Amino acid sequence: AQSVTQLGSHVSVSEGALVLLRCNYSSSVPPYLFWYVQYPNQGLQLLLKYTTGATLVKGINGFEAEFKKSETSFHLTKPSAHMSDAAEYFCAYNDRSGAGSYQLTFGKGTKLSVIP
Amino acid sequence: NAGVTQTPKFQVLKTGQSMTLQCAQDMNHEYMSWYRQDPGMGLRLIHYSVGAGITDQGEVPNGYNVSRSTTEDFPLRLLSAAPSQTSVYFCASRTVTLEQYFGPGTRLTVT
Repeated sequence: AQSVTQLGSHVSVSEGALVLLRCNYSSSVPPYLFWYVQYPNQGLQLLLKYTTGATLVKGINGFEAEFKKSETSFHLTKPSAHMSDAAEYFCAYNDRSGAGSYQLTFGKGTKLSVIP
Repeated sequence: NAGVTQTPKFQVLKTGQSMTLQCAQDMNHEYMSWYRQDPGMGLRLIHYSVGAGITDQGEVPNGYNVSRSTTEDFPLRLLSAAPSQTSVYFCASRTVTLEQYFGPGTRLTVT
């Protein structure tokens, strides 16, 4: 079955350090891939997406992600963490193979803590 | 432009009661969906709609009904609430370029 796996349910980084949140997908056809962020007691907000074209995707708030087909990965990075980045991050995919093409499937989420 | 709105924000039900969670969007998106969020489970799709009059089941549809009479509204009905339906519910609408916009959520507790 197709899925996304987020490695690490909790990640802690120091303010100013690199943020790296990992996401791997399982699909014979590379899906459309997304990262969403959820701040406490709020809905989800799109950070960035990969559909086609350039494999390095830049999003909001200084985040970026690189689609690597050979590694079936779509890791999210930010060079320097800020206190305001503390939130839960979800990787998601949209199956482009046809049968499930309307459904966005989420990973289980990674909660990012930023230590002052 | 309010985006996606949901009411109520909080709700407590007794087992067996029914209720409707309201969702509306003002972006003229054809695709709308309902998710539930439970700790450690991510978001799971309940039902979705690709346009007025067209709905389909997602991953966890049991115990829920939907209808889509207009482009703007996509209510979710709980037929007979159970404690297992205690969750946070999110409604979303999607652009043609696959970007989903989420509402603020409804926190439901079933006792």
